Amino acid sequence: QKEVEQNSGPLSVPEGAIASLNCTYSDRGSQSFFWYRQYSGKSPELIMFIYSNGDKEDGRFTAQLNKASQYVSLLIRDSQPSDSATYLCAVRGNQFYFGTGTSLTVIP
Amino acid sequence: SAVISQKPSRDICQRGTSLTIQCQVDSQVTMMFWYRQQPGQSLTLIATANQGSEATYESGFVIDKFPISRPNLTFSTLTVSNMSPEDSSIYLCSVTDTNFYEQYFGPGTRLTVT
Repeated sequence: QKEVEQNSGPLSVPEGAIASLNCTYSDRGSQSFFWYRQYSGKSPELIMFIYSNGDKEDGRFTAQLNKASQYVSLLIRDSQPSDSATYLCAVRGNQFYFGTGTSLTVIP
Repeated sequence: SAVISQKPSRDICQRGTSLTIQCQVDSQVTMMFWYRQQPGQSLTLIATANQGSEATYESGFVIDKFPISRPNLTFSTLTVSNMSPEDSSIYLCSVTDTNFYEQYFGPGTRLTVT
């Protein structure tokens, strides 16, 4: 079983819609959870982090954490074509673990 | 967050040669890491670069193939030795903040081995 699992996609949403990206993790002792955005040919960019159960909002982005279900998600509201990228989920326990990423395409 | 630079940004190398990649951070950081990202794949941790001591390598990576130096708290190098086409990848340096919470990546080095 992988430490962090994501649906690889691709996920396509129309411009203006809500994109929902999901991630599950296996280590119940994990403490911190991160979402990275990676454009093609670029390095990962940290866009959200969450440490506590519940929701955390930052502009159009909302991270949701449910430790009981070992589940973390990222919602992107009012999706824009510039949001088209691969989104990596990362979890920190004793070390960082990265998922394989979900490819998102926002269709104009 | 720290500003991280890497040199070179890309290179094309011949089989059997070695390449040293440099990572420079604009502030002192405790933790520095080296990752590899092969085409279409996620990130694979190669090693943790420890200041003043030998790097800690992940399973499948060895010091003879990927020697790492960390002479101070702002600089590290990764050497890819005796390269083969399978080493073609993007190599990324990353650092964490003081509390080891958030991790930030350098721009990466795109390596092609012919």
